[in-house]
Amino acid sequence: DAMVIQNPRYQVTQFGKPVTLSCSQTLNHNVMYWYQQKSSQAPKLLFHYYDKDFNNEADTPDNFQSRRPNTSFCFLDIRSPGLGDAAMYLCATRGQGSYEQYFGPGTRLTVT
Amino acid sequence: AQRVTQPEKLLSVFKGAPVELKCNYSYSGSPELFWYVQYSRQRLQLLLRHISRESIKGFTADLNKGETSFHLKKPFAQEEDSAMYYCALSGASGTYKYIFGTGTRLKVLA
Repeated sequence: DAMVIQNPRYQVTQFGKPVTLSCSQTLNHNVMYWYQQKSSQAPKLLFHYYDKDFNNEADTPDNFQSRRPNTSFCFLDIRSPGLGDAAMYLCATRGQGSYEQYFGPGTRLTVT
Repeated sequence: AQRVTQPEKLLSVFKGAPVELKCNYSYSGSPELFWYVQYSRQRLQLLLRHISRESIKGFTADLNKGETSFHLKKPFAQEEDSAMYYCALSGASGTYKYIFGTGTRLKVLA
């Protein structure tokens, strides 16, 4: 009974070829997050949604976009992946009135 | 600048020894502080947060505003405590952003 699901767990894409990572949740949480985590580094917040309200971090590259068509699903689109975008991408949720984030297992992206 | 610093990448202790994982932060305002843990092949999960002042799995953490620290402590380490530990902060109520530290890998040796 996984609560935050990320698909696929491993994704290989070619340099410059658009790729989409997906996240779904069964918690009915109104906040959803995307983080990028490179080896031995802190998870870095890319953006988050409060319901449909999109909040982009100032230093998130324009190459990264996100969609949240409904409460349950959130997508991360990388328009033209570069070698530097290879990382673990973590999705997380949070319910209103709670500080706890619930994380998915992550998608490891490889760019060839 | 808002920042979370975990100075140790790796901490090795023997079973039964005390553990202290260090976390210092820089934040203008009153943050909420958290410890998240990631066991091998598991997802990141909340261990504890300062406002609840709980002891979870024998771990405690006290927020020291004067020293801007939130160190994680356990008096007697167990082998099952071996994991990656991340310190994180979030802003005051109504702010949904988090800043994570780079993490400390704790290895508890038999």
